[in-house]
Amino acid sequence: ILNVEQSPQSLHVQEGDSTNFTCSFPSSNFYALHWYRWETAKSPEALFVMTLNGDEKKKGRISATLNTKEGYSYLYIKGSQPEDSATYLCAVNSGGSNYKLTFGKGTLLTVNP
Amino acid sequence: DVKVTQSSRYLVKRTGEKVFLECVQDMDHENMFWYRQDPGLGLRLIYFSYDVKMKEKGDIPEGYSVSREKKERFSLILESASTNQTSMYLCASRGLYGYTFGSGTRLTVV
Repeated sequence: ILNVEQSPQSLHVQEGDSTNFTCSFPSSNFYALHWYRWETAKSPEALFVMTLNGDEKKKGRISATLNTKEGYSYLYIKGSQPEDSATYLCAVNSGGSNYKLTFGKGTLLTVNP
Repeated sequence: DVKVTQSSRYLVKRTGEKVFLECVQDMDHENMFWYRQDPGLGLRLIYFSYDVKMKEKGDIPEGYSVSREKKERFSLILESASTNQTSMYLCASRGLYGYTFGSGTRLTVV
């Protein structure tokens, strides 16, 4: 079973703070990395899909980077807002499978007003 | 928008019952998946299907089976429900632009 690690497990920040989380994965046989945002009682929402080493993606105040050689990705949130509170999930396709996703345990972000 | 619909939001079943969890997608996706989510363990893959009548075991298939008779529908079956199958179950389908998830079924086995 592929091991995808996320840190920290949980995080409390104040409104306006910037924050970042880490996802690490085995660099061999890497195919793609996905970031999802999951709010309570809702479906996980896709944020980014990245495949190439050095990829950087941005969506509003959220951005992500990918290093496939060392096996990690960072997710950044600039100027956190209470509505950013959610669990952020990282998932990886690897081993030549472009459809089977293996998830990390997630980072639970709480933004206090 | 792609929609993945899970038939029940909450279910309570008795130990030993046969349980069906239904998932339907409306975008003609070939690949569909069942995950369960437990505190501290994250999302774990139970089964997936890459086409009609095709299925493959995920990481934790024990105690489960699946059915994919039509492209839009992927059913997860608990042959004889047990209390350790109490969990949140998420269905997903995969298209050209990524994965879309249903909103989950919280199953409690008593």
